[in-house]
Amino acid sequence: GAVVSQHPSRVICKSGTSVKIECRSLDFQATTMFWYRQFPKQSLMLMATSNEGSKATYEQGVEKDKFLINHASLTLSTLTVTSAHPEDSSFYICSATRTGQGGYTFGSGTRLTVV
Amino acid sequence: GQNIDQPTEMTATEGAIVQINCTYQTSGFNGLFWYQQHAGEAPTFLSYNVLDGLEEKGRFSSFLSRSKGYSYLLLKELQMKDSASYLCAVRYTNAGKSTFGDGTTLTVKP
Repeated sequence: GAVVSQHPSRVICKSGTSVKIECRSLDFQATTMFWYRQFPKQSLMLMATSNEGSKATYEQGVEKDKFLINHASLTLSTLTVTSAHPEDSSFYICSATRTGQGGYTFGSGTRLTVV
Repeated sequence: GQNIDQPTEMTATEGAIVQINCTYQTSGFNGLFWYQQHAGEAPTFLSYNVLDGLEEKGRFSSFLSRSKGYSYLLLKELQMKDSASYLCAVRYTNAGKSTFGDGTTLTVKP
């Protein structure tokens, strides 16, 4: 149990366009999901906490108007990178936790390349 | 911020035992996690400690001392596939948000 599906796994987009990344909890309800970014050979950096039915909580330094997060249901959160630039190229990962699990299940990650 | 310190790199031999240490700031502590991450892949959950002591799960064990702000991940009977980055993460609030260390890259040699 506790499977998190993330889609797409890899995307290449042109500078100035927007990209949507989906994160789904397949067999449990996730009231809270987390979005991370990871640059090569660096650790995970929390971008925002996504709460079902309410606005996301963004970490300091993360532009909420650029990284739009929507948590419309208990099983789906989306991250939209708007007006993407090459410096947004990174590995984006979501995670979710279920009550009593004690840990976090990560999605498989999305490698975004902006050209 | 809550500094989480772990060694950058470690090397060990196949079949041996390796211990990866993690220290953290204790204020507001609410749980510590260890994750394994292979290159180019997302992390996978290994262990969770919230009380002092040793948690054993097969070849992997994790230890926590809350008063010392210290944890270690112990890997026994190392296999080549254990070569990966090991991330220590600490949860500081009941909201579930965690802070990650920079990770320890473990290389297992024949």
